[in-house]
Amino acid sequence: KAGVTQTPRYLIKTRGQQVTLSCSPISGHRSVSWYQQTPGQGLQFLFEYFSETQRNKGNFPGRFSGRQFSNSRSEMNVSTLELGDSALYLCASRPGLNTGELFFGEGSRLTVL
Amino acid sequence: DAKTTQPPSMDCAEGRAANLPCNHSTISGNEYVYWYRQIHSQGPQYIIHGLKNNETNEMASLIITEDRKSSTLILPHATLRDTAVYYCIVRVGGDSWGKLQFGAGTQVVVTP
Repeated sequence: KAGVTQTPRYLIKTRGQQVTLSCSPISGHRSVSWYQQTPGQGLQFLFEYFSETQRNKGNFPGRFSGRQFSNSRSEMNVSTLELGDSALYLCASRPGLNTGELFFGEGSRLTVL
Repeated sequence: DAKTTQPPSMDCAEGRAANLPCNHSTISGNEYVYWYRQIHSQGPQYIIHGLKNNETNEMASLIITEDRKSSTLILPHATLRDTAVYYCIVRVGGDSWGKLQFGAGTQVVVTP
């Protein structure tokens, strides 16, 4: 069974640009969560989607957004990039809503110059 | 969610058992204890979880004290590949499982 796949793995952007990251969950998993990891703040929850609906949201500005498609694949978008958005963005999937066992991808490392 | 306290780092000799403590003195009756680990440059990996009883799987054992205010993750025979940051998380059940609150974790270094 293939794991959680995130693309791209690495990318470099400049301030003011926007970026879209993609996540394909494990087959059959309908919930996708996104996390940001930085050396200073650690792992922080961004949002979670289930059946194309945002179920939970973390404490991030509106520049951070996401969506989920009918095949459970998810994308997150960050607009008007700032230097502080440089981070590892991790996606995790789980089969349903009532389980705490998340399966994480390898992440997308974003560098903002 | 209850807060957790873990030592920032610990060393372990290869082949020996690694005992990772976690304090969660404000845990509520319906909060589970979850353990994840993150090997450098990889996404976090689920290890084990429990509510009241001790649990064991192919990766580790979880010992929860009777008052549930602390727990210990045991890696029975540590290998070099177990070098990672280990996170202890307490979480209420329900439909918000996707929102995990990670702390700083414990950096475990397994040495030959």
